[in-house]
Amino acid sequence: DADVTQTPRNRITKTGKRIMLECSQTKGHDRMYWYRQDPGLGLQLIYYSFDVKDINKGEISDGYSVSRQAQAKFSLSLESAIPNQTALYFCATSDAPGLAGPSSYNEQFFGPGTRLTVL
Amino acid sequence: AQKITQTQPGMFVQEKEAVTLDCTYDTSDPSYGLFWYKQPSSGEMIFLIYQGSYDQQNATEGRYSLNFQKARKSANLVISASQLGDSAMYFCAMREGAQAGTALIFGKGTTLSVSS
Repeated sequence: DADVTQTPRNRITKTGKRIMLECSQTKGHDRMYWYRQDPGLGLQLIYYSFDVKDINKGEISDGYSVSRQAQAKFSLSLESAIPNQTALYFCATSDAPGLAGPSSYNEQFFGPGTRLTVL
Repeated sequence: AQKITQTQPGMFVQEKEAVTLDCTYDTSDPSYGLFWYKQPSSGEMIFLIYQGSYDQQNATEGRYSLNFQKARKSANLVISASQLGDSAMYFCAMREGAQAGTALIFGKGTTLSVSS
């Protein structure tokens, strides 16, 4: 079974609709992330959460909201979808860094991605 | 300014040859980590290799090695003995500074095409 799952895997929706993307993990990690990938670009951070009570905006949070329902669940919502939010969305998880801080080995594990198309 | 720069939009290599994918990074934080991920056409992100800023030796993982030149702020991925299955998009990413959280900053990627 996959450690990080995302639902749905594919979604087509219309402009103005509210849509929720869900992410679940069985890795026991405290930290979860939502990224967006546009064609020809790398991944950009939307939101991240260090634990259930700690949620932070990333570089492209406008038009998105999140909910950390439990340690294992982190949902991303588009309140009113627009066509330029068409993209591939990834959820990721990680442990907290070790004593060496960001230099310590600390892999991020990615879900399989959700392809979202907004018409 | 870009924090992660991958200057090669596309690279072409023949099977069994080695290939180097370039990555330069920009940070003033002494503590950071550098990652390479592979994204095949199916879309998933596959972790390949990691280099910490304090690591003394270049990282290696099977056919993958990371040519880490700290003074030049470069972290190039070397794939030895390329295989057809290596055809994919490759992303370099960095994690830096506790205040920025531990999210990854990604480059725009390099598409690698391996031919027989």
